[in-house]
Amino acid sequence: EVQLQESGPGLVKPSQSLSLTCSVTGYSITSNYWGWIRKFPGNKMEWMGYISYSGSTSYNPSLKSRISITRDTSKNQFFLQLNSVTTEDTATYYCARGGSYRWFAYWGQGTLVTVSS
Amino acid sequence: DVQMTQSLSYLAASPGESVSISCKASKSISNYLAWYQQKPGEAYKLLIYSGSTLQSGTPSRFSGSGSGTDFTLTIRSLEPEDFGLYYCQQYYEKPHTFGAGTKLELK
Repeated sequence: EVQLQESGPGLVKPSQSLSLTCSVTGYSITSNYWGWIRKFPGNKMEWMGYISYSGSTSYNPSLKSRISITRDTSKNQFFLQLNSVTTEDTATYYCARGGSYRWFAYWGQGTLVTVSS
Repeated sequence: DVQMTQSLSYLAASPGESVSISCKASKSISNYLAWYQQKPGEAYKLLIYSGSTLQSGTPSRFSGSGSGTDFTLTIRSLEPEDFGLYYCQQYYEKPHTFGAGTKLELK
């Protein structure tokens, strides 16, 4: 069974970087696509981007140059880094399998990240 | 970006009833549409993809219809476990945008 689990700090200061890890079990991240999605307070959801089986990436233009998704295939993990965060980046962050012209078939439970000084 | 509009943010119904949740795209997305269910404390669950194809494990009381710009998720004979938050998502064009969600609550 494919399982994903997000981890990382729950509190980040404004202007700093948000870094999250998604640990995957039951499936190799060298296959398929692996994405990040976030849900803001009030339930609005945003597709952030993904990393592919080959390591290529695609990002939401709204995040411009602030976002980076990388991976460690030896640990079967992929990562989200979001730079220069503001309070508007406060959200629950989810990792999921899918993302490139495909649906998200499997999701993590999500991790709440609050941006506050 | 393709805007996805779920016209109902809230829907109240009773077990045994049937409900429909609509989702409208700002441009044609063919059938590149997925429906998800979220319940508190649980991971998002993919219900339907390609507009009408049930994901493995999705009960047959769920069905999806539509193509182009207008889509509907129908749940026949609601069960207590069906109450939660429902989202549509288009994956026709990047960024793959989501609707605002429809909360299905027990009447």
